[in-house]
Amino acid sequence: EVQLVQSGGGLVPPGGSLRLSCEASGFVVDDLYMSWVRQAPGRGLEWVSVIYSGGSTFYADSVRGRFTISRDNSKNTVFLQMNSLRPDDTAVYFCARRYPGEGYDFWGQGVLVAVSS
Amino acid sequence: DIQLTQSPSFLSASVGDRVTITCRASQGISRYLAWYQQKPGKAPKLLIYAASTLQDGVPSRFSGTGSGTEFTLTISSLQSEDFATYYCQQLDSYPYTFGPGTKVEIK
Repeated sequence: EVQLVQSGGGLVPPGGSLRLSCEASGFVVDDLYMSWVRQAPGRGLEWVSVIYSGGSTFYADSVRGRFTISRDNSKNTVFLQMNSLRPDDTAVYFCARRYPGEGYDFWGQGVLVAVSS
Repeated sequence: DIQLTQSPSFLSASVGDRVTITCRASQGISRYLAWYQQKPGKAPKLLIYAASTLQDGVPSRFSGTGSGTEFTLTISSLQSEDFATYYCQQLDSYPYTFGPGTKVEIK
């Protein structure tokens, strides 16, 4: 059974850092495209980042230079390191997987990141 | 970045109604478009990808059409479990933007 289990959310002051984890089961993260998508309270979905099976990464302009997506194949886990956090980064963060040419078919449960003093 | 617009932003409908949601892209994206359904407090659920391919397990009352810059999601006969917010997403080029959403509520 495919599952994505997320951890690492919480409350952090502006300028702080946080690392989110997304542990996969039922498939190998290195075989697919793994992404992070976020949703601010009461708002729509915002694509954040992707890591390819070959290791290439892409980011939304709003997080480039502050966030880093990575993968630990031995743990079958994808991470999002978030630095220099700002109040407008407050959102529920989802990880999701995608086959090339298709949509995001499995999603994590989402974790809340709140940036506030 | 490619911008997506959706219309309407809000839709009030009854069980059994035929519902159509439109998504327009600011530039051509071929057929690289997906549709998602999201209910409050839940992760999005993939309904359709490649503009018209139904994801496994999604009821056949959902269908998608379009290419280039204009796309539609149709629910042929709305069921009670379909009341939710629907998002389109372009998968043509990064960043993979989403539309602003269409909320479907019970009339």
